[in-house]
Amino acid sequence: DGGITQSPKYLFRKEGQNVTLSCEQNLNHDAMYWYRQDPGQGLRLIYYSQIVNDFQKGDIAEGYSVSREKKESFPLTVTSAQKNPTAFYLCASNIRTSGSYRTDTQYFGPGTRLTVL
Amino acid sequence: AQSVTQPDIHITVSEGASLELRCNYSYGATPYLFWYVQSPGQGLQLLLKYFSGDTLVQGIKGFEAEFKRSQSSFNLRKPSVHWSDAAEYFCAVGANAGNMLTFGGGTRLMVKP
Repeated sequence: DGGITQSPKYLFRKEGQNVTLSCEQNLNHDAMYWYRQDPGQGLRLIYYSQIVNDFQKGDIAEGYSVSREKKESFPLTVTSAQKNPTAFYLCASNIRTSGSYRTDTQYFGPGTRLTVL
Repeated sequence: AQSVTQPDIHITVSEGASLELRCNYSYGATPYLFWYVQSPGQGLQLLLKYFSGDTLVQGIKGFEAEFKRSQSSFNLRKPSVHWSDAAEYFCAVGANAGNMLTFGGGTRLMVKP
């Protein structure tokens, strides 16, 4: 079955530690995204990548880092510089229409809930 | 910059009643519009989308939405709500370039038996 997987489902971190959230897709999608969701709020974009070895900051990139070494993988590292990292993190992907950047449907993974102790 | 407003944070309806969730957007050109649903602790599932053409869009689970350019709205409707529809609903708008989506704050739907 094709889809997006995120691991772990739950993650606990002590203050001052870096943690890495995994996102893998086997949909052969070009673009991948990381969002943060806080209770009662919508989704806010952290980072996105349109193509391998390239990524851009979203609206709330401070305290986060990413890499895109493979098309199917887009891990997110939450660093100790992120002041309030407790949140639900969602990864998404979509296909990039050939020759353009036309918006297309984003498909989401099941999410990772990060709690800082 | 594009933006999305979902004016209702919480809505409660009785099972079997009709439903309308409001979504207003701000975008300078023709928008790409989406409705997603999220069950507690889960990812988002696409209900329906509007790119062009017929302004009344049919989606999964019996949902539909109507794009009204004059009102900058894309309201989600369902004629008869089921208890399993209880969830959080997000409206999103996409730009023509960059595959970027902007999400509204969400509407939490509760269904009374």
